[in-house]
Amino acid sequence: DTAVSQTPKYLVTQMGNDKSIKCEQNLGHDTMYWYKQDSKKFLKIMFSYNNKELIINETVPNRFSPKSPDKAHLNLHINSLELGDSAVYFCASGVRSGNTIYFGEGSWLTVV
Amino acid sequence: QQPVQSPQAVILREGEDAVINCSSSKALYSVHWYRQKHGEAPVFLMILLKGGEQKGHDKISASFNEKKQQSSLYLTASQLSYSGTYFCGTERQAGTALIFGKGTTLSVSS
Repeated sequence: DTAVSQTPKYLVTQMGNDKSIKCEQNLGHDTMYWYKQDSKKFLKIMFSYNNKELIINETVPNRFSPKSPDKAHLNLHINSLELGDSAVYFCASGVRSGNTIYFGEGSWLTVV
Repeated sequence: QQPVQSPQAVILREGEDAVINCSSSKALYSVHWYRQKHGEAPVFLMILLKGGEQKGHDKISASFNEKKQQSSLYLTASQLSYSGTYFCGTERQAGTALIFGKGTTLSVSS
């Protein structure tokens, strides 16, 4: 069984559309994250949730909205997609503080 | 604040050694090392907590110098499978998210 799973893996969409990426973890972790990796491979933290509560919200446009229905799920909804949103989005989960975080396989988003 | 990794890229032949450094201007609670192969997710290698320690498994080890806020990843007798991009992720306080460096690309050839 995949520990951290994301869907979809690939997504090609037009500018202005709204899309969602789903993430689920079966590791029993209490903290989940969204990272964005751009074309230069820079891994940037976007959001962090601990037990469904938003802990970290880095400087991310309001068009990005995370939602955590329970501690095993953290979804990312993006409104009014722009070309610059094209990137790989990684979901990750871990136990808060000083422990390994595990990444999902990534979702490749291309905005055309 | 983003940690600084050096070098940006390393090219090795099988069997050669490499050291990748990760430094921060701020005090750190922990340092995590990951390896990412092209088209894949980052994979955890090891974690070092403050208190200054060294860890390793197989031919990959790492150290954390708390006074210098610097960690080093040591790859000895490199194998083709070591190729990829290595990221250090730093945690400044317990419970904060990992902030990653820009990565070091390692290429190992036969």
